[in-house]
Amino acid sequence: DQQVKQNSPSLSVQEGRISILNCDYTNSMFDYFLWYKKYPAEGPTFLISISSIKDKNEDGRFTVFLNKSAKHLSLHIVPSQPGDSAVYFCAASDYNNAGNMLTFGGGTRLMVKP
Amino acid sequence: KAGVTQTPRYLIKTRGQQVTLSCSPISGHRSVSWYQQTPGQGLQFLFEYFSETQRNKGNFPGRFSGRQFSNSRSEMNVSTLELGDSALYLCASSSGGWNTGELFFGEGSRLTVL
Repeated sequence: DQQVKQNSPSLSVQEGRISILNCDYTNSMFDYFLWYKKYPAEGPTFLISISSIKDKNEDGRFTVFLNKSAKHLSLHIVPSQPGDSAVYFCAASDYNNAGNMLTFGGGTRLMVKP
Repeated sequence: KAGVTQTPRYLIKTRGQQVTLSCSPISGHRSVSWYQQTPGQGLQFLFEYFSETQRNKGNFPGRFSGRQFSNSRSEMNVSTLELGDSALYLCASSSGGWNTGELFFGEGSRLTVL
């Protein structure tokens, strides 16, 4: 049973427009959420995170929104650039769980067309 | 400073064999986690080591094992390989804080089981 789901395996967006990547979770114990970006032949790299005490976190062109009641989070990229083309993974952790254990979604491949 | 280093990058094994993968974390990082990435499944947590002790373990059979050395380097071993073990195995390190969430990933070891 996947506790973190990214229902869109791929997304295509025109350069300069907004990219919205979605993620749903089922485990109500999750209280910290992260987005990672992965280019081919490279390991995932941390992008942005949000704690459950917030509903929005912004870092430059990247904004993550959290809707706890819906158990849903989204990543907005504005404006989208061709270099943003990558696979994006949503991840979640339970702060009460000792150590660093992340539960990842299946990923969404974003393609930004010039 | 140098990133997370994983060796070997690529390897091919046959069913029934065993394999050992190695990971050198970022200098000063004491937590090492291992993840398995297969198409459509995202990243699945295998285990995490901190100061030579397994701190968390994912839902994988006992054929998957790991260890961490006093210099924080880690190895994972898969015995009696099965076709389904073909995957990208990613190692991630962090400073070891309590669920800091931000992991630094290596480029992975791609295992093919024939």
